[in-house]
Amino acid sequence: SQTIHQWPATLVQPVGSPLSLECTVEGTSNPNLYWYRQAAGRGLQLLFYSVGIGQISSEVPQNLSASRPQDRQFILSSKKLLLSDSGFYLCALSRAGTGNTIYFGEGSWLTVV
Amino acid sequence: QQQVKQSPQSLIVQKGGISIINCAYENTAFDYFPWYQQFPGKGPALLIAIRPDVSEKKEGRFTISFNKSAKQFSLHIMDSQPGDSATYFCAARGPSYGKLTFGQGTILTVHP
Repeated sequence: SQTIHQWPATLVQPVGSPLSLECTVEGTSNPNLYWYRQAAGRGLQLLFYSVGIGQISSEVPQNLSASRPQDRQFILSSKKLLLSDSGFYLCALSRAGTGNTIYFGEGSWLTVV
Repeated sequence: QQQVKQSPQSLIVQKGGISIINCAYENTAFDYFPWYQQFPGKGPALLIAIRPDVSEKKEGRFTISFNKSAKQFSLHIMDSQPGDSATYFCAARGPSYGKLTFGQGTILTVHP
């Protein structure tokens, strides 16, 4: 079965500092990968998704970017963090194709101070 | 229309009672409707899911009821237990790359 690793698990960063959250997956090849953000412990907002290496689609305009340098690696970045970037960031995957279940990682808590 | 509307926002149930959470959607292109359970500080975990050609699916104490004509679906938790206390999210999957649109979540508290 597939597993999703996210790190760091928690992060406290000052406003204006850069960000890099990493997600790696195991147990599946060529997965669809997703970054979601969950604010205030509630709703999940899709930020980015990727169907393959170097292929990134953005769902909402924002201060963040994503990259997929390897098949099983998905990175969420920012050059300068804003207070509003605080939240719980979740990496997720589904198997290749359009018809499969989405599974979530354990998340990374980001607090911007 | 990509929204999924979920209600109630919070729910308190006594142990042994039935918990019912409702969701409604607009986009008839959605083809898969999962429910996720999330404990504090953890990622959401798939609980149960249904496809629109089925009206009901049951797994243990958890049942999804699906009404295609009304574009509504609901989660029923029978014999609710304190360990079921969590946030529950309904979701709907679009035909594009398996993207999920989530409801806003329901915080369920089951009192012993």
